Amino acid sequence: AQRVTQPEKLLSVFKGAPVELKCNYSYSGSPELFWYVQYSRQRLQLLLRHISRESIKGFTADLNKGETSFHLKKPFAQEEDSAMYYCALSRGGTYKYIFGTGTRLKVLA
Amino acid sequence: DAGVIQSPRHEVTEMGQEVTLRCKPISGHDYLFWYRQTMMRGLELLIYFNNNVPIDDSGMPEDRFSAKMPNASFSTLKIQPSEPRDSAVYFCASSPYLYEQYFGPGTRLTVT
Repeated sequence: AQRVTQPEKLLSVFKGAPVELKCNYSYSGSPELFWYVQYSRQRLQLLLRHISRESIKGFTADLNKGETSFHLKKPFAQEEDSAMYYCALSRGGTYKYIFGTGTRLKVLA
Repeated sequence: DAGVIQSPRHEVTEMGQEVTLRCKPISGHDYLFWYRQTMMRGLELLIYFNNNVPIDDSGMPEDRFSAKMPNASFSTLKIQPSEPRDSAVYFCASSPYLYEQYFGPGTRLTVT
């Protein structure tokens, strides 16, 4: 069955420290992977997608098909990065997204 | 642009009552999605529409749940009868294409 796993419910780091939010997926085909973010009192919004190979707000994510992972990384965390992060998978170009349960990132001053 | 609009923002109802959640997608978006978010299960896709037609409703938990999209600018998610385990935040999202969904603010439903 298709599944997206985010093993950490909460991740706390100090400002300036590196951040890695883990995401593992289970899917036999070619997935499209995304990271969505929800800041306090804001809507859930797209942060980045693997197909674009982009860096948004200093965050990057690399799709590792061998390890079936799509971890989100940032070298130096900022307080404004504190938010809820969701990893999501779209099966083979369909619109049927599967979301992970989310990781709350807290960046401490 | 106000983005995706959902109403009501909060709903408190008693078990057995009918609940109707409403969504107005972003104009021009051909896809509309309904999600349910709970602490235990996270964000789950319930159903999605393309050009007002339901494409996949396999995530709808029971026959008590139904969704309609009578036109391109309006959709409803109805629960009848409601049960306490339906308490959750329900999100509507719309999309013009595969690679990005635009979410509404959500409706927090509490069934007592």
